[in-house]
Amino acid sequence: QKEVEQDPGPLSVPEGAIVSLNCTYSNSAFQYFMWYRQYSRKGPELLMYTYSSGNKEDGRFTAQVDKSSKYISLFIRDSQPSDSATYLCAMTGSARQLTFGSGTQLTVLP
Amino acid sequence: DTAVSQTPKYLVTQMGNDKSIKCEQNLGHDTMYWYKQDSKKFLKIMFSYNNKELIINETVPNRFSPKSPDKAHLNLHINSLELGDSAVYFCASSHASGGTYEQYFGPGTRLTVT
Repeated sequence: QKEVEQDPGPLSVPEGAIVSLNCTYSNSAFQYFMWYRQYSRKGPELLMYTYSSGNKEDGRFTAQVDKSSKYISLFIRDSQPSDSATYLCAMTGSARQLTFGSGTQLTVLP
Repeated sequence: DTAVSQTPKYLVTQMGNDKSIKCEQNLGHDTMYWYKQDSKKFLKIMFSYNNKELIINETVPNRFSPKSPDKAHLNLHINSLELGDSAVYFCASSHASGGTYEQYFGPGTRLTVT
């Protein structure tokens, strides 16, 4: 069983839809949670960063962490074709090394 | 300005060869990393390194070795390349202090072993 599980998709939605991306994890030591966006043939880029439980909002993006359920989510409102990418969740405890999910491929159709 | 750069972008080579991938960061970070991303997009840490400590993922074969001439550079040397080494390799960097673990990635090196 992997430490971080993420539905690989692919996920296809119409423009303007609300997108929900999720990861579950098993390691209770994780306390830093991140979402990375990776466009095709590019390196991952940090999208959202959250420490411990709670919500964080940045424009059209909202990250949620529920440590009691070991479940994190990324919501994208008013999705745009430019949001089409692979979204990777990542997390770490105090070891500094990130553990990534396998990524969810998202396509937003115009 | 490129924050984290890697060379080459593409590398095609034959089994048994030795090759190196170079990485440079101009962010002033003190920790650098190498990741391997397989064909299913799964990103796996290989090494993390600062000037004090090298942490090696125990699953990485000893044919892989990081070499750091200074804080801004972390190169990856691979001996006796195998077919299974074909993947995209990403370099990344971050600050080690401050309680944050945000990492910045390079554009990747696509390695194909034939």
